[in-house]
Amino acid sequence: AQSVTQLDSQVPVFEEAPVELRCNYSSSVSVYLFWYVQYPNQGLQLLLKYLSGSTLVKGINGFEAEFNKSQTSFHLRKPSVHISDTAEYFCAVSGNTGGFKTIFGAGTRLFVKA
Amino acid sequence: GAGVSQTPSNKVTEKGKYVELRCDPISGHTALYWYRQSLGQGPEFLIYFQGTGAADDSGLPNDRFFAVRPEGSVSTLKIQRTERGDSAVYLCASSSTAQETQYFGPGTRLLVL
Repeated sequence: AQSVTQLDSQVPVFEEAPVELRCNYSSSVSVYLFWYVQYPNQGLQLLLKYLSGSTLVKGINGFEAEFNKSQTSFHLRKPSVHISDTAEYFCAVSGNTGGFKTIFGAGTRLFVKA
Repeated sequence: GAGVSQTPSNKVTEKGKYVELRCDPISGHTALYWYRQSLGQGPEFLIYFQGTGAADDSGLPNDRFFAVRPEGSVSTLKIQRTERGDSAVYLCASSSTAQETQYFGPGTRLLVL
């Protein structure tokens, strides 16, 4: 079974500052890892995903995440945020063999201030 | 092309009633997922289909919940004897295969009075 912990429920940050949203997972099998974003009054959309290969994954809107197997983490980063990045961000994990049930974290609310 | 659509967008019902929620996946997508999202929480996995069959239904909370996908396209989530605790946004997603990116619909907001 897999589980996901998003360590911060809310992250306030000023515009143009860097941000890191933390995600830790647990799993007894190899995993795929994802970050999704949910803008106000919109559906979930994929920001980026790790399936295999390079542990540094680049996504849309300037976001990137690094898979760290030893620390079971997949933190999301952006070097300079914009007001438009204000949204809810969800980390998710699925097993990569034998089934693809996806488990989501509780979410981190990123609030970018002017 | 068209994305994932869900109907209705909002559903208000009374405790004890039966409801059906519909999901139209992206054409050609073989994998379809149902999730439930309560206020302030992440999506909670309910069930996923590969084609017509339920490949994993371990997230269904109890036997009041049932989902079908008879022709491998449209899916219906059915909830019997609704309870107030069933109130949530029900999300559907589809992907071309189980390992690929999931595309989410806008959700159905269910309110049980």
